[in-house]
Amino acid sequence: DADVTQTPRNRITKTGKRIMLECSQTKGHDRMYWYRQDPGLGLRLIYYSFDVKDINKGEISDGYSVSRQAQAKFSLSLESAIPNQTALYFCATSDLQGNYGYTFGSGTRLTVV
Amino acid sequence: QKEVEQNSGPLSVPEGAIASLNCTYSDRGSQSFFWYRQYSGKSPELIMSIYSNGDKEDGRFTAQLNKASQYVSLLIRDSQPSDSATYLCAVKSGGYQKVTFGIGTKLQVIP
Repeated sequence: DADVTQTPRNRITKTGKRIMLECSQTKGHDRMYWYRQDPGLGLRLIYYSFDVKDINKGEISDGYSVSRQAQAKFSLSLESAIPNQTALYFCATSDLQGNYGYTFGSGTRLTVV
Repeated sequence: QKEVEQNSGPLSVPEGAIASLNCTYSDRGSQSFFWYRQYSGKSPELIMSIYSNGDKEDGRFTAQLNKASQYVSLLIRDSQPSDSATYLCAVKSGGYQKVTFGIGTKLQVIP
């Protein structure tokens, strides 16, 4: 099994719908992150969580919310999806210091039509 | 000025050559530096990390760091077609140890 699992892998949704992307990890890491990746813009941080009770906004949090249900689970919600939220979404984890880099999930390709 | 800058490429090199990928960063307090490889449609995979000035070698990969010039590079020796991917530079800095990614350089190794 993958260390970081994201579901779904692909999703097409309509404008205005609420959608949740889920992430679970078996690394035992406290820190979890949600990024989106767009061509020419690279990886941009949406939200991050350093433990279950510590959730922080990243550089592009508008239109998104998150929930840290447990150490191993971190979900991302789009409250009312819009077409410019079409992107590749990655969940990632790191240890406390982050000195060993991030472990990424396999990604969710989201299309909003 | 972007926090982490990379040339998006593509950088084309012939098979067997050395590929040189470059990255500059703006925060002088940056502490840790990473290179990730990302194949098209796949997730980034950590290939190198470097924390102090100088070179760090791992197989065909060498990471180079020059903090005075705020510059980090990745050399790939004996490039193979399987090295064709996008290479992301990432820099950790700040009190919350924030990691910022560059946009990535697309490398094409021509057989």
